[in-house]
Amino acid sequence: QITLKESGPTLVKPTQTLTLTCTFSGFSLSTSGVGVGWIRQPPGKALEWLALIYWDDDKRYSPSLKSRLTITKDTSKNQVVLTMTNMDPVDTATYYCAHRPPPDGVLFDYWGQGTLVTVSS
Amino acid sequence: EIVLTQSPATLSLSPGERATLSCGASQSVSSSYLAWYQQKPGLAPRLLIYDASSRATGIPDRFSGSGSGTDFTLTISRLEPEDFAVYYCQQYGSSPITFGQGTRLEIK
Repeated sequence: QITLKESGPTLVKPTQTLTLTCTFSGFSLSTSGVGVGWIRQPPGKALEWLALIYWDDDKRYSPSLKSRLTITKDTSKNQVVLTMTNMDPVDTATYYCAHRPPPDGVLFDYWGQGTLVTVSS
Repeated sequence: EIVLTQSPATLSLSPGERATLSCGASQSVSSSYLAWYQQKPGLAPRLLIYDASSRATGIPDRFSGSGSGTDFTLTISRLEPEDFAVYYCQQYGSSPITFGQGTRLEIK
């Protein structure tokens, strides 16, 4: 059974760096083809893909946010970490991590419950 | 990047009726790499359809997907009370992956 869970601060100040951790079980990020992605959703708005990391440490980022994002993995801990620099109130959103199954394409078949991050001074 | 436009924004129907949701792409989606998700309030999205027409594990057969190129459709053949939710399409044929803005399916 695949499960994912996001953790991190619920409130950050403008200009601060956000660090979110996705802890997962039921799969290994060393298995060929597997990936973990991050997606966010501002309150009442649509989904926005942020970043993805593959089993082979290949990393992909949303072009519009690439300069602010870093995604890393710790296979031994079954964790993926997303950092976003220079947070702004428009970054207030629920942040989800999700499992990307092999073999082709980037879609997400299992999602975490999400964590709401508010950016405010 | 490929922009996905979903229509209608809101669809009001009654249980038992047929729902047809559309997703239009600004460019052709290669290999029909299009997915549909369902999202209920306060919950994470759930994958319904992938590769435009393949149902994900555990998804009832009243949900079906079709289309290719720039025009895709999600059909719910006979609405159940639990189907009223927001539906998103997502393309993964080109980088970056993108989502539509969603269609809210509400009870009439």
